[in-house]
Amino acid sequence: IAGITQAPTSQILAAGRRMTLRCTQDMRHNAMYWYRQDLGLGLRLIHYSNTAGTTGKGEVPDGYSVSRANTDDFPLTLASAVPSQTSVYFCASSLAGGNGELFFGEGSRLTVL
Amino acid sequence: DAKTTQPNSMESNEEEPVHLPCNHSTISGTDYIHWYRQLPSQGPEYVIHGLTSNVNNRMASLAIAEDRKSSTLILHRATLRDAAVYYCILKTSYDKVIFGPGTSLSVIP
Repeated sequence: IAGITQAPTSQILAAGRRMTLRCTQDMRHNAMYWYRQDLGLGLRLIHYSNTAGTTGKGEVPDGYSVSRANTDDFPLTLASAVPSQTSVYFCASSLAGGNGELFFGEGSRLTVL
Repeated sequence: DAKTTQPNSMESNEEEPVHLPCNHSTISGTDYIHWYRQLPSQGPEYVIHGLTSNVNNRMASLAIAEDRKSSTLILHRATLRDAAVYYCILKTSYDKVIFGPGTSLSVIP
């Protein structure tokens, strides 16, 4: 089934450890995004990418890095996790431009102790 | 960055229409207005989007003001399954998509 896949679904991580959240889409979408959603709050944009090879900072980029080596994959890396990065992380993709509908993954729940 | 404002929460009786408002006074000419909803413990899902004209689909209708500074998502007959957080966003040609806190819709049986 075509769509967007995130992994892992859930992870508990010790503070200071490195973690990469994976996101893959098979819809050949140009644009991809990473959001975090803290309990009871809305979505905040971490990083985004308009096309393979380019990335941009969102609202809350500090402590996170991304890469976009190809169209399908958009991993999010926490170099040294801190407890404030405990959150649910959503990856999304869309065709580039304002007319493109956003498709979201199921989310990755990350707990940093 | 494009911004939208929505009421924090709204209530509706089951099987009645619901009008969810959104203000986007800083909208630019090429910004599309998108609506998404997020059911509990799920990722957001697409509802509807438009540029200038009103839009209808199987889920909802989108009414866009003539000056495009506001829009309204219309659920024609609310069901219990429509209880969710509804997000109104502006999607731009350069693809930086910012979500606000959205409107939490409660549906009363």
